[in-house]
Amino acid sequence: ETGVTQSPTHLIKTRGQQVTLRCSSQSGHNTVSWYQQALGQGPQFIFQYYREEENGRGNFPPRFSGLQFPNYSSELNVNALELDDSALYLCASSLDPQGARGYTFGSGTRLTVV
Amino acid sequence: QKEVEQNSGPLSVPEGAIASLNCTYSDRGSQSFFWYRQYSGKSPELIMSIYSNGDKEDGRFTAQLNKASQYVSLLIRDSQPSDSATYLCAAYTGRRALTFGSGTRLQVQP
Repeated sequence: ETGVTQSPTHLIKTRGQQVTLRCSSQSGHNTVSWYQQALGQGPQFIFQYYREEENGRGNFPPRFSGLQFPNYSSELNVNALELDDSALYLCASSLDPQGARGYTFGSGTRLTVV
Repeated sequence: QKEVEQNSGPLSVPEGAIASLNCTYSDRGSQSFFWYRQYSGKSPELIMSIYSNGDKEDGRFTAQLNKASQYVSLLIRDSQPSDSATYLCAAYTGRRALTFGSGTRLQVQP
């Protein structure tokens, strides 16, 4: 069992809707990242937060946004959902502000957009 | 060219054999490398990290890094059916993110 928990585990949304995914990191892990994993692919980096500030972002449009809170929890928000947003969304935390020492992943949220 | 490349497999080995998984990367600035195991429908689990050239052993797992050849490998000795999973290679390039390969599916035949 990892120290990173995500909710919900599964979600079905309609195209055009908005969704919020939640993550609770391990205590003391100030760095949290979000990844999108499409079926049969490796995880793709969305963005990273360190002490409530975004400090890195991958090639995802602005409709993907996030927040990190002082209690080690974080959110991923996706607006104007598209069919291609269907994927496993993974939250990952690290003690290292850069993430160079690796991340611990949560169990993920499976999002299906119909 | 993908930044991290892996053969998608499946790689099939008999129980008790050595499984050899390979990965190449394109960014010479990559600083650290990781192997994650992912069972179907589950999230990735970190099994090995390696930061300098050479071998690093942990139980049945050995990670090998050759920065000159931009090559990372994972050896699994005495493979077990429970090792059947997708193995993801990841590189940290200093941009505050891990870059993953698409994974190699390993099947260990009883």
